[in-house]
Amino acid sequence: GAGVSQSPRYKVAKRGQDVALRCDPISGHVSLFWYQQALGQGPEFLTYFQNEAQLDKSGLPSDRFFAERPEGSVSTLKIQRTQQEDSAVYLCASSFQGWSETQYFGPGTRLLVL
Amino acid sequence: EDKVVQSPLSLVVHEGDTVTLNCSYEVTNFRSLLWYKQEKKAPTFLFMLTSSGIEKKSGRLSSILDKKELFSILNITATQTGDSAVYLCAVDRAGTASKLTFGTGTRLQVTL
Repeated sequence: GAGVSQSPRYKVAKRGQDVALRCDPISGHVSLFWYQQALGQGPEFLTYFQNEAQLDKSGLPSDRFFAERPEGSVSTLKIQRTQQEDSAVYLCASSFQGWSETQYFGPGTRLLVL
Repeated sequence: EDKVVQSPLSLVVHEGDTVTLNCSYEVTNFRSLLWYKQEKKAPTFLFMLTSSGIEKKSGRLSSILDKKELFSILNITATQTGDSAVYLCAVDRAGTASKLTFGTGTRLQVTL
């Protein structure tokens, strides 16, 4: 596709609910990144995939957060038993290779946990 | 732990003014520094800087990196209302996948 797309764009969840956020990277991009951006802050790294392999998940804040990219293209970030502190914009980015390559960002999913 | 500090946190200028945004960093095994512009949606890429002293330019925007003093500046000349956005600085570390560490951003508002 022309750019990185994410869905849904907005999600309201009740505390304790599970959510799934989807990212479609730019076609042919090997690397995919998830970031969490709290209000008024810069994005913070969550996890990184090279093709289907999750090479770095050091930024995932708890074991309630899980990401997958089973076929090396679309990725899903799942948050189980959501908490209010999970409210943020979740940004997905992709790059051609991931090493010294520019990352291109999607529009993000704004998650609000009530 | 890698650290990126941007200043000022916010800035209001009049259309036509020139602005300079600052980014200082501490990172192990520095590879590159990137600038992004974020309006109410995806951060859009502006510049990637890897070498000291070489200015990168795109229209009214320019940026330069000083690897000795560990900072970068982003200049915008003849500002327009469309330049209003948050400008994010990020650093990339060598030796691992390109895991960007971002600053908190500078919020720029350009008024008529």
